[in-house]
Amino acid sequence: NAGVTQTPKFQVLKTGQSMTLQCAQDMNHEYMSWYRQDPGMGLRLIHYSVGAGITDQGEVPNGYNVSRSTTEDFPLRLLSAAPSQTSVYFCASSYRRTSGALSSYNEQFFGPGTRLTVL
Amino acid sequence: KNQVEQSPQSLIILEGKNCTLQCNYTVSPFSNLRWYKQDTGRGPVSLTIMTFSENTKSNGRYTATLDADTKQSSLHITASQLSDSASYICTNTDKLIFGTGTRLQVFP
Repeated sequence: NAGVTQTPKFQVLKTGQSMTLQCAQDMNHEYMSWYRQDPGMGLRLIHYSVGAGITDQGEVPNGYNVSRSTTEDFPLRLLSAAPSQTSVYFCASSYRRTSGALSSYNEQFFGPGTRLTVL
Repeated sequence: KNQVEQSPQSLIILEGKNCTLQCNYTVSPFSNLRWYKQDTGRGPVSLTIMTFSENTKSNGRYTATLDADTKQSSLHITASQLSDSASYICTNTDKLIFGTGTRLQVFP
């Protein structure tokens, strides 16, 4: 199993450009999510999906779009890149998203990350 | 406000020494708390999960503790190795609130 894969590894964009960060998992996980990681801050949730065809916003969704047409893939689209979107982006998946005591099953499996710079 | 705070921000130790990392959380109600290890340039990987009913759990040289009364968790690393150099992140598993992490550097 490859686990969670992300492409590209590095990307430089100019302000206003658009691009798609790819994420795929081969573990048949229901739940997938996108995070950004900035210096001095914890991982922040951008968007998530609890299954194919279902997506929802996280803590910092502005400027990003997602879709989930298959269980395996969960691309993140930057519509018009801004310097504030310079960050490291991580895709993650888990078997499912549960709450309360059962949330111990919410082990997130992370991809290797995409380092994005917006000039 | 639900928060997860970690200390210290960074830590430097010599190989073979022990260290303890702290995680304080104000997430309510408490569910479970997970520790991740993140090597430089890679995604976080789970080390251990602490549930409400557990006080201590070991995973090799890593021992996690949880005090639900004071809302504190710690990660103790015994006989540190160079490969322990990484960031260690704690997170509330229910609301998926991540701490800012502690960056540990182990020198020979």
